[in-house]
Amino acid sequence: GAGVSQTPSNKVTEKGKYVELRCDPISGHTALYWYRQSLGQGPEFLIYFQGTGAADDSGLPNDRFFAVRPEGSVSTLKIQRTERGDSAVYLCASSPQPSYEQYFGPGTRLTVT
Amino acid sequence: AQSVSQHNHHVILSEAASLELGCNYSYGGTVNLFWYVQYPGQHLQLLLKYFSGDPLVKGIKGFEAEFIKSKFSFNLRKPSVQWSDTAEYFCAVNGPNNDMRFGAGTRLTVKP
Repeated sequence: GAGVSQTPSNKVTEKGKYVELRCDPISGHTALYWYRQSLGQGPEFLIYFQGTGAADDSGLPNDRFFAVRPEGSVSTLKIQRTERGDSAVYLCASSPQPSYEQYFGPGTRLTVT
Repeated sequence: AQSVSQHNHHVILSEAASLELGCNYSYGGTVNLFWYVQYPGQHLQLLLKYFSGDPLVKGIKGFEAEFIKSKFSFNLRKPSVQWSDTAEYFCAVNGPNNDMRFGAGTRLTVKP
């Protein structure tokens, strides 16, 4: 079956611009996670959804970052006023239920110039 | 929040050598433990997981890991590595809030 997909695969934007990153989870998976991975580091937890609601957003670094999952499937990570330090690979994962193993997408590489 | 430490940043082995990658976590409650692998150019994939029961768990491709609760450790092992095991390996811990924490990763290079 189809895995987790993320679009775009690459995004280059200028400092100060707004970006949206999209994640399509595996069909039927209720839990959805966003991570950020910088070079040489492991994935850093950002936010986790159970259904439509954000169950834990403690990893969002500041109020420029926001994520939604309005219908309990597709999710969008939104970054306002991007900064060069936001450059990273943004990973999405989904899971049949919270605490189960997560299935990862290929990521979106964001470059802020 | 819990944290995860992976002791080795880069490990270089010859084929057929034995592998052990260390992972320690700092959380005293009930956790679920995972090892993920990222092959060059591919996305993260699950190698193995521990939820409860037998602390020695077996995963894909001949990998296994042992959960030692008293040491807060979940080390990954393989008796004989192959060139195709060249990849980055991540240990991860999922606590009761389901905020999965990953270690920094260990890059494994296997020389043919």
